[in-house]
Amino acid sequence: GIQVEQSPPDLILQEGANSTLRCNFSDSVNNLQWFHQNPWGQLINLFYIPSGTKQNGRLSATTVATERYSLLYISSSQTTDSGVYFCAGATGTASKLTFGTGTRLQVTL
Amino acid sequence: KAGVTQTPRYLIKTRGQQVTLSCSPISGHRSVSWYQQTPGQGLQFLFEYFSETQRNKGNFPGRFSGRQFSNSRSEMNVSTLELGDSALYLCASSPDGQPGLDTQYFGPGTRLTVL
Repeated sequence: GIQVEQSPPDLILQEGANSTLRCNFSDSVNNLQWFHQNPWGQLINLFYIPSGTKQNGRLSATTVATERYSLLYISSSQTTDSGVYFCAGATGTASKLTFGTGTRLQVTL
Repeated sequence: KAGVTQTPRYLIKTRGQQVTLSCSPISGHRSVSWYQQTPGQGLQFLFEYFSETQRNKGNFPGRFSGRQFSNSRSEMNVSTLELGDSALYLCASSPDGQPGLDTQYFGPGTRLTVL
C-alpha cells in the first residue's frame, strides 16, 4: 500500500502567523483529502484535492500530483486552528484512505 | 443534511467481552468505511461496505467484523476484546458515485475503552 509522510510533526505558532503543512505520498493517488481533527476526535473535512489548488477562507491547499505531494496553507492563524491536521490518500477505485501521522498545531495568543 | 452519526459515543468493556458499534451515514450515501485510531498506530482502515457487501478490508484479525443494512446503516463488531482494542473508532460515508474518488465524511467516533 501507499505510504504517507507528513511534516512537520509538531508546530507552535503565535496567533496571526502563517504556516505550511506538507504531505508526501509514496505513489500516485487519485483521492487526496485534508482533515482537521478537533479536540473531541472528529475529523473535519478541509479539502478534497487530488490535484490543483483550492482555497476556503484562510485555508488553501495545493496538490502537485506528478510529484506526489500536497501542501496545506494556513494564514493568519487563530487559536481555533489548533488541533491535528491529517492528509490521506487512496488509489484506484478503493475507498480505503491511508492516513499520514498528522501535524499537531498549537496556536498561542 | 444531517451528518454521519455514530452510537454510542463512549463505551467501556472488559477483556473477553464483545461490542457492537453503529454508524448511520449521510442520507443518500451508499458507502460506509470504518477506521481505528490509536496513539501507537494512528488511523488505520478496517473495512468498507457498499450495497450490503464488504468491498475492501484492512489488516485486522477476524475478531473485527461488520455488516451493512439495506438502508446503508452499518455496524461493526469486535469479539473477544483485548486491551489493545481500546481506540477511537471512526465511521465515514461517501456517495460512491465515483468509487474511490468521492469525498469521505466522518462521524464523531466511538471511544472504546477495554479494561
